[in-house]
Amino acid sequence: GQSLEQPSEVTAVEGAIVQMNCTYQTSGFYGLSWYQQHDGGAPTFLSYNALDGLEETGRFSSFLSRSDSYGYLLLQELQMKDSASYFCAVQTGANNLFFGTGTRLTVIP
Amino acid sequence: DAGVIQSPRHEVTEMGQEVTLRCKPISGHDYLFWYRQTMMRGLELLIYFNNNVPIDDSGMPEDRFSAKMPNASFSTLKIQPSEPRDSAVYFCASSLIRGGNYGYTFGSGTRLTVV
Repeated sequence: GQSLEQPSEVTAVEGAIVQMNCTYQTSGFYGLSWYQQHDGGAPTFLSYNALDGLEETGRFSSFLSRSDSYGYLLLQELQMKDSASYFCAVQTGANNLFFGTGTRLTVIP
Repeated sequence: DAGVIQSPRHEVTEMGQEVTLRCKPISGHDYLFWYRQTMMRGLELLIYFNNNVPIDDSGMPEDRFSAKMPNASFSTLKIQPSEPRDSAVYFCASSLIRGGNYGYTFGSGTRLTVV
């Protein structure tokens, strides 16, 4: 089986930096993805890490440590529009993507 | 590209009725997925197709659920008979290739309410 753990809620100030963590236990591992979902919207793909290290895309960075079964999503220069839920998802094999329960990020002025 | 298109956006039905959800994937995407999202269970994979063939339906909750993909541009998820516990948002997603690095593109979802 597999399990993913994410903090349920995070609050951060506009303009600041926030890190959202994800730890996982899986029977197979190909990579870790991150998705953003605004209330009432669809999940949208942010990033994917297959190897250890940091991947940067604009204000968003994602990190993976396979030995620690751990990853995080880093958002810089927070904006109000970043308020959303953020899901980590493990690709366990074939094409199965197993999602965590998500972290709800609230950005305050 | 119009993205993944799902219909209807909202569906309210009475317990015992048949419900059919529809999905049009992005043209050229070989993989199609049906997910269900609830507060209690989060995003759950129900079934996925590769080149119109069902590959893994182990997430389908029970025999009341069935999914088809008669061609590369259309898929349906049917619930018969529906029950109140089926109330959820159902997402369809498609992807270009096997592997997570290109990501899945999700449709806007169908919010199903069974009363």
